[in-house]
Amino acid sequence: IAGITQAPTSQILAAGRRMTLRCTQDMRHNAMYWYRQDLGLGLRLIHYSNTAGTTGKGEVPDGYSVSRANTDDFPLTLASAVPSQTSVYFCASSGGPAERYSNQPQHFGDGTRLSIL
Amino acid sequence: QQQVKQSPQSLIVQKGGISIINCAYENTAFDYFPWYQQFPGKGPALLIAIRPDVSEKKEGRFTISFNKSAKQFSLHIMDSQPGDSATYFCAASGGSNYKLTFGKGTLLTVNP
Repeated sequence: IAGITQAPTSQILAAGRRMTLRCTQDMRHNAMYWYRQDLGLGLRLIHYSNTAGTTGKGEVPDGYSVSRANTDDFPLTLASAVPSQTSVYFCASSGGPAERYSNQPQHFGDGTRLSIL
Repeated sequence: QQQVKQSPQSLIVQKGGISIINCAYENTAFDYFPWYQQFPGKGPALLIAIRPDVSEKKEGRFTISFNKSAKQFSLHIMDSQPGDSATYFCAASGGSNYKLTFGKGTLLTVNP
């Protein structure tokens, strides 16, 4: 089934450890996004990528980094995890021309539930 | 600064009733207004979307009403069913900010 695959589905991590959340899409979408979802705060954009080879900062980028080496993969790395990064992380993608992504529906994965102790 | 304000935070409706969720936005450059539905343990999924050149869009039991002058849009769920129980997010994008800005979500519970 076409869509977005996120891994792992859940993880418990000690503070200070490095962690990479994986995201792969098979829809050949140009744009990809990482969000975190916290109770009462909704979905907040961490980083995004318009197309392979480019990335940009979202609303809450501090403590996170991303790379986009190819169209399909968009990993999110926590270099040194802190408890405030405990959250549910969602990867999403959308198609469309590189210049404009408005009006393009975003397709989401089922998330990674991350707990930092 | 929150650019999309969503209300209520939670909503309880009886089966067969009408569920109404409201959103207001500030950025007049927004020109795409989707609603997402999220079930527990799943990612959000696009439910219905509207552009500001129409005032209403209907898909089955789901209707978006859009008021450009008031910068408000709402989701109406007619004949609400227990299977509609989920969290609903409004969002907006447009202009130079093509990334989606989400509301904080509404937890809808439809009692049988």
